[in-house]
Amino acid sequence: NAGVTQTPKFQVLKTGQSMTLQCAQDMNHEYMSWYRQDPGMGLRLIHYSVGAGITDQGEVPNGYNVSRSTTEDFPLRLLSAAPSQTSVYFCASSYSMADSAELFFGSGTQLSVL
Amino acid sequence: GQQVMQIPQYQHVQEGEDFTTYCNSSTTLSNIQWYKQRPGGHPVFLIQLVKSGEVKKQKRLTFQFGEAKKNSSLHITATQTTDVGTYFCLSNDYKLSFGAGTTVTVRA
Repeated sequence: NAGVTQTPKFQVLKTGQSMTLQCAQDMNHEYMSWYRQDPGMGLRLIHYSVGAGITDQGEVPNGYNVSRSTTEDFPLRLLSAAPSQTSVYFCASSYSMADSAELFFGSGTQLSVL
Repeated sequence: GQQVMQIPQYQHVQEGEDFTTYCNSSTTLSNIQWYKQRPGGHPVFLIQLVKSGEVKKQKRLTFQFGEAKKNSSLHITATQTTDVGTYFCLSNDYKLSFGAGTTVTVRA
């Protein structure tokens, strides 16, 4: 098993550009989520999904879109990148949100918006 | 926002010393999980506590869930350089949003 795979590892964007951060898991997990990590702010939840076709907003959803067409994939879209979105992004999954299962994290994407 | 508060935010420890980091909530938690993130890495699950007053040990790490299930602690004995990193607590009562974490540095 590869676990949770995130691509790319690094990305530089110009303000206003769009891009998609990819996340895939091969563990048949129901729950998937996206976090951003900024110095001194910990991990903040952007969006999450409890199954294919179901998504919901987390703590900081503005400027980001998600969809969950399959159990395996949960891409994060930045429609018009802003410097405030410079951060490290982590995707995570677990077999269930309700049963307090452990989260498995991807290795992260470091995004810089100039 | 962050419903579970972690203290301290930073902990500088002499190698060989003990330290404790805390997670506090104003409301009763159904469970709490602890994660460790090494510098440059991603968070990794350490343990989950569910029962009131529960204590679990992993080698030099001792995890405790308070009797009222409103707080939790992580105690590290005889700190080593391998303990460097940020320790996060998490409860699914808050849509799986993490606290700010405790960042630990070790002086050799």
